[in-house]
Amino acid sequence: KAGVTQTPRYLIKTRGQQVTLSCSPISGHRSVSWYQQTPGQGLQFLFEYFSETQRNKGNFPGRFSGRQFSNSRSEMNVSTLELGDSALYLCASSSPPGLRGNEQFFGPGTRLTVL
Amino acid sequence: AQSVSQHNHHVILSEAASLELGCNYSYGGTVNLFWYVQYPGQHLQLLLKYFSGDPLVKGIKGFEAEFIKSKFSFNLRKPSVQWSDTAEYFCAVNAYSGAGSYQLTFGKGTKLSVIP
Repeated sequence: KAGVTQTPRYLIKTRGQQVTLSCSPISGHRSVSWYQQTPGQGLQFLFEYFSETQRNKGNFPGRFSGRQFSNSRSEMNVSTLELGDSALYLCASSSPPGLRGNEQFFGPGTRLTVL
Repeated sequence: AQSVSQHNHHVILSEAASLELGCNYSYGGTVNLFWYVQYPGQHLQLLLKYFSGDPLVKGIKGFEAEFIKSKFSFNLRKPSVQWSDTAEYFCAVNAYSGAGSYQLTFGKGTKLSVIP
C-alpha cells in the first residue's frame, strides 16, 4: 500500500497570506488527523476528520481550519499567516479503531516557512 | 486531558551502550501507548505500541518498552545502540476523546545522538 502523501513538501509564505496544505491518506483509511511540529512546542494536535466531518479539534485559533473530501483526502488551511506558524505540518491517517483504539500512520510533512 | 512527559531532552551515548528513555503519562482512563521515531530528514515511524496484554512489548530494530500501569510509565529500552539509532524519539498516548475519536498526545521528544 502507498503511504500517506502530503503536498507540497515545502512552502514559503509571507505574513498575512493564507496557505492550503493537502494530505492523501492510505487507501481505505477514513480518519485523517493533522499535527503541527515546532522545536519549542513539539507535536501538537490540530484536528481530526472522519467521513468528511471534523470529529475532534485541538487548541488552535480559528485561523486554522480543515476539511475532508468524500475520497478521504484532506486539506488544511491557515489564514492570515503569522511568523509563529512556521512549522512542519504532519498528516496522519488511521483505519477504523478497534476496541482499544487505533494506530496512526504519518506522512512526510509540509515544511511551512513564514517570512 | 491527557499529557505525556519525556524526561530527557537530549541523550548522548556511545555505540554499544544501553538505552533507556523515560516516558510518563497522565490520564485516568484506558490508553494506548506508542513510541515513534523520527530519523533526520524522515517522517515519523512507529517503533512499537501497547494496546493490551503483555506489558513488555517488542518493536522494530531491537527496541522494547515496558508498560507499568501503577507508575503511568512506558519506558523505551534497547540493550545496545548503534550509530544508526541517532534520531528523535517520541512517546505518545492515544486516548478516547469522545464521538468515536481517539486523540494522540505526544511528549516533547528526546533527541538521541550515538557516537561511533
